[in-house]
Amino acid sequence: EIVLTQSPGTLSLSPGERATLSCRASQSVSSRYLAWYQQKPGQAPSLLIYAASSRATGIPDRFSGSGSGTDFTLTISRLEPEDFAVYYCQQFETSPLTFGGGTKVEIK
Amino acid sequence: QLQLQESGPGLVKPSETLSLTCTVSGGSIWNSDYFWACLRQSPGQPPEWIGSIHHSDNTHYNPSLRSRVSMSVDTSKNQFSLKLTSVTAADTAVYFCATWDPSPGNKFDHWGRGTLVTVSS
Repeated sequence: EIVLTQSPGTLSLSPGERATLSCRASQSVSSRYLAWYQQKPGQAPSLLIYAASSRATGIPDRFSGSGSGTDFTLTISRLEPEDFAVYYCQQFETSPLTFGGGTKVEIK
Repeated sequence: QLQLQESGPGLVKPSETLSLTCTVSGGSIWNSDYFWACLRQSPGQPPEWIGSIHHSDNTHYNPSLRSRVSMSVDTSKNQFSLKLTSVTAADTAVYFCATWDPSPGNKFDHWGRGTLVTVSS
């Protein structure tokens, strides 16, 4: 099973600041098999990024993904009030499909 | 726009079977390359993938749940279903239906709103 470790667990930032979220895999994941999701309280996760760096439909360009192998990054260039949420990375490389433990981006 | 709606029992007794139905609208289960997926999420935890099914009945299950899980597709009703047997309190969670689009890239790109299932006597 591929374990995805996200860091930090919580990120305290102010609107307008840059957020950098890390996802480290216990074994190599092909870029085309790595996705990122945003989840707000009481809602389902929502797709942000797929294939490590492709934005999903309707996702603003302040969200960007990068990385390869075992290290992946989600960057939010300038935080908007609606961006404060929990973010998960997820892999499709091998079964079972797994999610990271999440990074909570909270208002400082 | 593809939409998914979960329907579940709300409350299930320990050792019984949890049944979840996902109704698809805005598209056809039959005429699609999607895999249809079920996931769940316990409070404060990340989502957990339970399994996925294609309309051809090709299925994939999480090995940790495989002995208790089965999924099926009903193309006449545009629905897919999950059965989880011998439930315990550890199966209490919000259960989600989602689409797994394998191309381009791989992604769970449409999600239902989720339904809370509590296992309790």
